[in-house]
Amino acid sequence: DAKTTQPPSMDCAEGRAANLPCNHSTISGNEYVYWYRQIHSQGPQYIIHGLKNNETNEMASLIITEDRKSSTLILPHATLRDTAVYYCIVRVSGYSTLTFGKGTMLLVSP
Amino acid sequence: GAVVSQHPSWVICKSGTSVKIECRSLDFQATTMFWYRQFPKQSLMLMATSNEGSKATYEQGVEKDKFLINHASLTLSTLTVTSAHPEDSSFYICSAESPGGIDTEAFFGQGTRLTVV
Repeated sequence: DAKTTQPPSMDCAEGRAANLPCNHSTISGNEYVYWYRQIHSQGPQYIIHGLKNNETNEMASLIITEDRKSSTLILPHATLRDTAVYYCIVRVSGYSTLTFGKGTMLLVSP
Repeated sequence: GAVVSQHPSWVICKSGTSVKIECRSLDFQATTMFWYRQFPKQSLMLMATSNEGSKATYEQGVEKDKFLINHASLTLSTLTVTSAHPEDSSFYICSAESPGGIDTEAFFGQGTRLTVV
């Protein structure tokens, strides 16, 4: 599976949009982009995933560039409870393993 | 979304004893479950892939005789840490893949904090 690169940490003010970038320049045509987050001392939580089209659900939006070499996770109105480590992962299919990198530690402040 | 339940959420055991951790998919059948381990301030590391009805596949460096995995049904996988030692103290997390083919997502249990004293 392709590797991803994320900034180690980001800050965001409560109520503002949090935009978390991810580079995956070696992504293959059949690899999906997945986002998970892990709140301290909990298991990871699925957020969203996509192949090439932008995706939106009740938690977040996923913007994938046209060349698919990077993506951005958008939390439209961050709250203090969104403070977590966010992982961007690419993988071939639903049956291959998830390889976790170091992720981005997002700190949402009042 | 689908729910994966892990039990216990935390356990303290004496060195040399064995500990069993359960992972259940509550509202779907999971032919494949995964076990991860996470040390403080580190990312999740895959330990093994648990396949229903067959032997688990272990990642390099993970001792299969120490970390026994059983996946006897489509909704339950267990991880037994045998002869636990303090260096086995860690956060253990399981996940199960939702059914549906190629475009699916994995759901995770809440994790088990193991402390070996």
